Amino acid sequence: GENVEQHPSTLSVQEGDSAVIKCTYSDSASNYFPWYKQELGKGPQLIIDIRSNVGEKKDQRIAVTLNKTAKHFSLHITETQPEDSAVYFCAAPVRGSTLGRLYFGRGTQLTVWP
Amino acid sequence: EAQVTQNPRYLITVTGKKLTVTCSQNMNHEYMSWYRQDPGLGLRQIYYSMNVEVTDKGDVPEGYKVSRKEKRNFPLILESPSPNQTSLYFCASSRLQQETQYFGPGTRLLVL
Repeated sequence: GENVEQHPSTLSVQEGDSAVIKCTYSDSASNYFPWYKQELGKGPQLIIDIRSNVGEKKDQRIAVTLNKTAKHFSLHITETQPEDSAVYFCAAPVRGSTLGRLYFGRGTQLTVWP
Repeated sequence: EAQVTQNPRYLITVTGKKLTVTCSQNMNHEYMSWYRQDPGLGLRQIYYSMNVEVTDKGDVPEGYKVSRKEKRNFPLILESPSPNQTSLYFCASSRLQQETQYFGPGTRLLVL
């Protein structure tokens, strides 16, 4: 299977609703989990990250939760706004020939309808 | 302003004609990386560099070369481009592998 699986691939919500995107990872030793937002025509930009010593981190309307036992982490966006519409990527480190290299999920296209 | 720049932003070329996409960062970052983005496949790492003169293959290195002669620059070289290298390319830099990566604006490449 993939090193990092991201679901769903597309997500449509009404303005004001919440959106949740989930990623699972394969390496139990992974300890750093960032989320990136890519707006149309731009490069991805970090919006929030979490390290394995905490279970949840919040930044205004955005939060990330981590379940190390189940090896998954989720992005939560509350009170969504049209400007939240973008592609979101999760990432996690993958062991291999070089320890700690990040592997990205395939992305989630979030559309927030006004 | 802290930034990663890429040039060119758009490029149309033909099969077999060597090309170079430049990448430069002004944040004194040690770690730099190249990704390609294709529909439904997300961001896949091509090559990365831990520091000057230290480079290694990512997940999809076939058909690409890189060099890291200076800390700020990390060019991506396609010696003999093929149509399957048509893609959107991003350069990124960070202080360490597991810290915030700063992405460039992207280079859209079409190989005919």
